[in-house]
Amino acid sequence: QSALTQPRSVSGSPGQSVTISCTATSSDVFRYNYVSWFQHHPGKAPKLMIYDVSNRPSGVPDRFSGSKSGNTASLTISGLHTEDEADYYCCSFAGTYWVFGGGTKVTVL
Amino acid sequence: EDQLVESGGGLVQPGGSLRLSCVASGFTFTNYWIHWVRQAPGKGLVWVSDINPDGSSTKYADSVKGRFTISRDNAKNTVYLQMNTLRVEDTAVYFCSSGLRSDPNYWGQGTLVTVSS
Repeated sequence: QSALTQPRSVSGSPGQSVTISCTATSSDVFRYNYVSWFQHHPGKAPKLMIYDVSNRPSGVPDRFSGSKSGNTASLTISGLHTEDEADYYCCSFAGTYWVFGGGTKVTVL
Repeated sequence: EDQLVESGGGLVQPGGSLRLSCVASGFTFTNYWIHWVRQAPGKGLVWVSDINPDGSSTKYADSVKGRFTISRDNAKNTVYLQMNTLRVEDTAVYFCSSGLRSDPNYWGQGTLVTVSS
């Protein structure tokens, strides 16, 4: 089963924008465009922030956006808030299995 | 309140078995795929298994295939994860979720499984 690679950490000041990349080791991993992003505060339940590459569930602020180009998906947080500090995971359906990226810690400076 | 609640975790010796349960309330359970996702201590989220709404289709990560079995009882709004031949590396918090691309999206708070002698 293939993997998704994310940077270990990104950081930014309040109000700045950050982008987290998610690169597939195989093009098959993104074949269905079922790419999701989850926010996870340690000790809490993960929260879906983006699904199907760029769709936001109801209640998710519009400063969160998703995109995909080739073998790389991205999550952008435009205008960081302190409460955005968390771990973020990309996730994709690869036909017979789902796979998560290794996670990116977002630090708000 | 719309929610999922996991139970059944605990301490088990290597080679042992556990059955986790995930009970849903407040939403139409039979509309959703249900997934198990785990997080080992200090590590990231890892997908484990899923089951379709009527229980006729299941999928597993390679790391658990042949050892774990997912099932559901829609009359009880419950999904189960039967875990056999447990290994030290199966130690993790196990979360159930109403889907990895569903809106709305529900997750439980997790149940801790510790495999140790």
